[in-house]
This record gives sequence, C-alpha cells and structure tokens, in this order.
Amino acid sequence: NAGVTQTPKFQVLKTGQSMTLQCAQDMNHEYMSWYRQDPGMGLRLIHYSVGAGITDQGEVPNGYNVSRSTTEDFPLRLLSAAPSQTSVYFCASSYTGPGGEQYFGPGTRLTVT
Amino acid sequence: AQTVTQSQPEMSVQEAETVTLSCTYDTSESDYYLFWYKQPPSRQMILVIRQEAYKQQNATENRFSVNFQKAAKSFSLKISDSQLGDAAMYFCAYRSRNTDKLIFGTGTRLQVFP
Repeated sequence: NAGVTQTPKFQVLKTGQSMTLQCAQDMNHEYMSWYRQDPGMGLRLIHYSVGAGITDQGEVPNGYNVSRSTTEDFPLRLLSAAPSQTSVYFCASSYTGPGGEQYFGPGTRLTVT
Repeated sequence: AQTVTQSQPEMSVQEAETVTLSCTYDTSESDYYLFWYKQPPSRQMILVIRQEAYKQQNATENRFSVNFQKAAKSFSLKISDSQLGDAAMYFCAYRSRNTDKLIFGTGTRLQVFP
C-alpha cells in the first residue's frame, strides 16, 4: 500500500500560470479532501469529495477547482496562480463516517512569485 | 459553523516531564469526533489520538491521553514522560458525524528540552 501520494513535492509558479496538484490513494477510500496550511492558520479545507463524481466546497475554495472521476484520484487545479496561493497543500483520504482516520499525503510546497 | 481554538501557540517541556496542550471547540451538535494530530518537521500528519463524543471514558494511547469535557467543550492532550521525538506541531481537529469535514485548530508548537 502506497497510501496517499501527492505530486509534485515542490513547485514554483509565476503569477497567472496554471497547474494541477495530483493526489492518489490506493485504500479504496470514499472521502478525499484538499487542505492548505499557512503559518499560524492551521489546515483549512479547500474542497472535498465523498465519492466519484461528487465534490463540494470547503472553507477556502476560491481560485481552485477539483474533479473526482475515479475513487483513487482527486486532482486540485489552480487556474491562474496568485501569490496568495503560496502555501503547503495536503491531500487526505478516509472512509466516510466521522470516526474514520484521515490519512494524509506528504504535502506539496507551492510558491507563486 | 463549528470552530476549534488552540490558545497556546507554543509550549515547552523538559524531557521525561508531563505537558498538557489545550483545545476548545464550539458546536451545536451532540455527536462528533475529536482528534489530535502531530506534525513533525517532516511535515507528515500523524494521528495521535481520537475521542468519540458519546464515550464518557477519556481516550488513551500509551503516553498520550485526553481530558474530554463535553459540557465545557474542551479537549486537552496530555503527554506523559515527554521524549525528544515528541517535539512537533500538534493540531486539534473536529469532525462532524453529519458532514465528514475535518476542522482544525491553528496548532501548538511543542518544544522538548533535554
């Protein structure tokens, strides 16, 4: 089991560029989510999905798109990067149900100049 | 909306001593889960302990235990016999039974001195 994998680990973008952060899990988890972590602000939920074809917005969705075409993959797209999107991004997955442990990927450090 | 508050940005403890990290939350729900996650310098998020709101008994995992006070909406983490490897950021988190969303506090950085 690879668990939750994220690529790339590091990325530098220029303002206005677009990119996709990849996330995959091999645990057959229904629930997947994306967080961003900024100093002093903890982890904030961007988007989440409770199954293939179903996505919803979290706390800070603006500037990000997601889709969930398979159970395994949940990519996060930045359409036009802004310096305010400089952050560390984490993908997580779990079985649905609140008691389930969320398994986190190793994170992607994104810098937008 | 639910919120999670960690009022201690930084804490320190001497090796082998005990330290308690505080967490309070706000919710109108009666059924939910609470978690403590550890984030060492490697950045990996690691589950330390979880507590179901309906369980009266405080959860314990080896040197880690919680003091769950449902009426006060308080969920503190006690680390006994602290070790150098316990140095990390610790995040308190709330998960509703209704939405599956995980809501985090802002974290407490724990330093452990030899």
